[in-house]
Amino acid sequence: GENVEQHPSTLSVQEGDSAVIKCTYSDSASNYFPWYKQELGKGPQLIIDIRSNVGEKKDQRIAVTLNKTAKHFSLHITETQPEDSAVYFCAASVTSGTYKYIFGTGTRLKVLA
Amino acid sequence: NAGVTQTPKFRVLKTGQSMTLLCAQDMNHEYMYWYRQDPGMGLRLIHYSVGEGTTAKGEVPDGYNVSRLKKQNFLLGLESAAPSQTSVYFCASGSGGPLNTEAFFGQGTRLTVV
Repeated sequence: GENVEQHPSTLSVQEGDSAVIKCTYSDSASNYFPWYKQELGKGPQLIIDIRSNVGEKKDQRIAVTLNKTAKHFSLHITETQPEDSAVYFCAASVTSGTYKYIFGTGTRLKVLA
Repeated sequence: NAGVTQTPKFRVLKTGQSMTLLCAQDMNHEYMYWYRQDPGMGLRLIHYSVGEGTTAKGEVPDGYNVSRLKKQNFLLGLESAAPSQTSVYFCASGSGGPLNTEAFFGQGTRLTVV
């Protein structure tokens, strides 16, 4: 069945350093890959997304890369700040039919001041 | 703009009791989803709906039922609660379509079954 693997499960970085979270997906029909940030006690919120016709996308300190051949995609956060501390989820979806989102297991990011 | 609203926010149930979780969205979205979140397992899809009057099973549907009688509401029911259903439940909605792909999440319902 459809599956998304996410690594690492926890990640601690010093403030100002970069953080990288990696995901792999199994369904070759997936063509939309969002990343969600979940702060304590809140629902997940979209921070960036990428479609399968694009290899990289940036939004200020956040970037996402996609390797369709290898079925890998990654989230890169540069110049990390304490407010980046949260749980991050990757997801894969097919933008037709049911629009189901299959999520990874999450990465708890801690930015140490 | 309220977005996606879940009620209740917290609930404690005894084994065997029933309850309904309500999700309401005010964005006129066609698609609605129920997920459960457990430590180390991420978000797992329970049931979803692609429009008013429709429902479909997700990854972990057993023990749950859903209804989408109105476009703005998506109800998740537990007929006979079990301790294994202790979890945080999230509702989400989306407009669907190849260009409108973002899913918006509610704040979650923390359910404990004792």
